[in-house]
Amino acid sequence: GENVEQHPSTLSVQEGDSAVIKCTYSDSASNYFPWYKQELGKGPQLIIDIRSNVGEKKDQRIAVTLNKTAKHFSLHITETQPEDSAVYFCAASIGNSGYALNFGKGTSLLVTP
Amino acid sequence: GAVVSQHPSRVICKSGTSVKIECRSLDFQATTMFWYRQFPKQSLMLMATSNEGSKATYEQGVEKDKFLINHASLTLSTLTVTSAHPEDSSFYICSAKRSLAGKNQQYFGPGTRLTVT
Repeated sequence: GENVEQHPSTLSVQEGDSAVIKCTYSDSASNYFPWYKQELGKGPQLIIDIRSNVGEKKDQRIAVTLNKTAKHFSLHITETQPEDSAVYFCAASIGNSGYALNFGKGTSLLVTP
Repeated sequence: GAVVSQHPSRVICKSGTSVKIECRSLDFQATTMFWYRQFPKQSLMLMATSNEGSKATYEQGVEKDKFLINHASLTLSTLTVTSAHPEDSSFYICSAKRSLAGKNQQYFGPGTRLTVT
C-alpha cells in the first residue's frame, strides 16, 4: 500500500526550543494531512490538519506546512513545553475520499525542562 | 472538539472466547467510523472502514470473519474479535469521521487494551 514516512523517530529538545517533524507520502491522490498527539495509553488527539489547497496553517504554537509537489509536510512546534512530550503521528488520507488514513511510524518527542 | 468514546478501556479474555468493543461518537453523528490496531511502540494500522447501514470494508490481510464490525446507528460501531487468540492482544482504537462546514475530520477514541490469555 501507499506509505507515509516520518522522521525523526525520536526527538529531544530543551524547553523553549522549537521542534520539527517531517513526513513524506507517496499517494498523489492524498489531499488531507492531519497530525495527532498520542500520550501513553491513550488514543491519538487531533492537534492540527491541513488540506491540499493550502501550503501552511498555524494554530498558536503549532504550525504545519505542506509541499504537494514534493509530497512532504512538516509539523513545527515553537516554544516547547514539557507537556508537549508525547508521540506525534503524521497521516495522509488514502486517496481523496472516505478519509481513511495512512499513518507515519511516529516521533517520540521529549521536552526537557 | 468532537468526543469519541470506547468501551471497555481494558479487557482480558481467555483464548477462544469473543470480545466486543464499542465505539461511540458522543456529540456528533458519524456515518463512517474506522477501526485501527496498534502494537506497542508502533504506528496505527487501519483494519477496516465501518459504514452506517452497510457492510464494513476490510483492509488486505484482515479477516472479516474474525473481526466482525457492525455500524447499526449513526453514533455506534462495534468490533467483535471472535475466537480470540494471544496474537490478537493489542490496542484497538476507533475513530469517527465528522463532517463540519463541508470539511471532514477524524476523531479518535481512547482505545481498548485487549489481552488474550
